[in-house]
Amino acid sequence: GAGVSQSPSNKVTEKGKDVELRCDPISGHTALYWYRQSLGQGLEFLIYFQGNSAPDKSGLPSDRFSAERTGGSVSTLTIQRTQQEDSAVYLCASSKQGFLGEKLFFGSGTQLSVL
Amino acid sequence: DAKTTQPTSMDCAEGRAANLPCNHSTISGNEYVYWYRQIHSQGPQYIIHGLKNNETNEMASLIITEDRKSSTLILPHATLRDTAVYYCTFTGNQFYFGTGTSLTVIP
Repeated sequence: GAGVSQSPSNKVTEKGKDVELRCDPISGHTALYWYRQSLGQGLEFLIYFQGNSAPDKSGLPSDRFSAERTGGSVSTLTIQRTQQEDSAVYLCASSKQGFLGEKLFFGSGTQLSVL
Repeated sequence: DAKTTQPTSMDCAEGRAANLPCNHSTISGNEYVYWYRQIHSQGPQYIIHGLKNNETNEMASLIITEDRKSSTLILPHATLRDTAVYYCTFTGNQFYFGTGTSLTVIP
């Protein structure tokens, strides 16, 4: 595809519900990243996938957060039992080979609002 | 912790050069400095990167100090569309973007 695609662009949910956020990376990119950006804050790293390697989950804030990447392409970030503090923009990025130091290509994000 | 330090905000007059500093004192010798910017409601966009030498592309110039502990992003003729948050990061710190510098270009 032309760029990193994220869906939905906006998601409103009730506290306690589960949500799934989707990321389609640029075709052929082997590395995929998830970040979270709360209002007025910087980007907070969540998780990193590189090819078939075990993902780096060191940024996930709690066990309510999980992510998977199927077939080395599309990724889904799942938040279980959402809380109001989960409200943020969730950004996905991909890079060609995943070497640290490659430039990242970001999607436009999913704005999550937990009521 | 490997971190970067940037001023919270800056203003620049339209048409003038915008100079955005960043401290990255923990950078290692083989790690690249990267700059991105984020315009409201969009994902961050790559601007430029460099290792030791100064770099220039169609968007900006990057000046890296000799000791590599800091760098400056230069937008030579700022326009209103350059109003954005600018982030610096470096290779070994790839996952950390900090809060960046909010640049406002004033007409």
